[in-house]
Amino acid sequence: EVQLVESGGGLVKPGGSLRLSCAASGFTFSSYSMNWVRQAPGKGLEWVSSISSSSSYIYYADSVKGRFTISRDNAKNSLYLQMNSLRAEDTAVYYCARGVVSPNGLFDYWGQGTLVTVSS
Amino acid sequence: AIRITQSPSSLSASTGDRVTITCRASQGISSYLAWYQQKPGKAPKLLIYAASTLQSGVPSRFSGSGSGTDFTLTISCLQSEDFATYYCQQYYSYPWTFGQGTKVEIK
Repeated sequence: EVQLVESGGGLVKPGGSLRLSCAASGFTFSSYSMNWVRQAPGKGLEWVSSISSSSSYIYYADSVKGRFTISRDNAKNSLYLQMNSLRAEDTAVYYCARGVVSPNGLFDYWGQGTLVTVSS
Repeated sequence: AIRITQSPSSLSASTGDRVTITCRASQGISSYLAWYQQKPGKAPKLLIYAASTLQSGVPSRFSGSGSGTDFTLTISCLQSEDFATYYCQQYYSYPWTFGQGTKVEIK
């Protein structure tokens, strides 16, 4: 059974940093691209970042480019999102989502999400 | 970025009703469109991809159609477990973008 479990969310002050993790199990992690998608309270879904299976290709939404860094450790079956210079508008539930093998950009399994709150 | 306009933003319906939700892309995206269902406090669930292909395990009362810029999600006979918010998403090109969502509520 595919499982994605996010962790690392919490309350952080504006300008602060946070690192999210996503632990994957039930599939060959190193064969799949992985993604972060967020959802502000009461709002819709927003794609944040994607990383290919071997980390060769990385993409960011303009809203986080230069502040967030996606990475993965295939040996540990883990995905990460380093978030720096956090702003109030980054407050959201952050979901880890598996990308299908082909084509890119389609998310077939999602974690339960971790809440990030940016507030003073 | 490709903009996705989803309508309506909400609708009220009764069990057994036929429900239709539409998405329009700001440029042609072929059939690179997916539909997700999200229930309160839960993660989104993939329902349909490639505009009309049902994800494994999804009931056949769900169907999708369209290509290019105009797409439709239809629930043929609404069940109690279908009351949720539905999102469309294009995966034709980065950045991947979602519609604003349609909340299907009980009438």
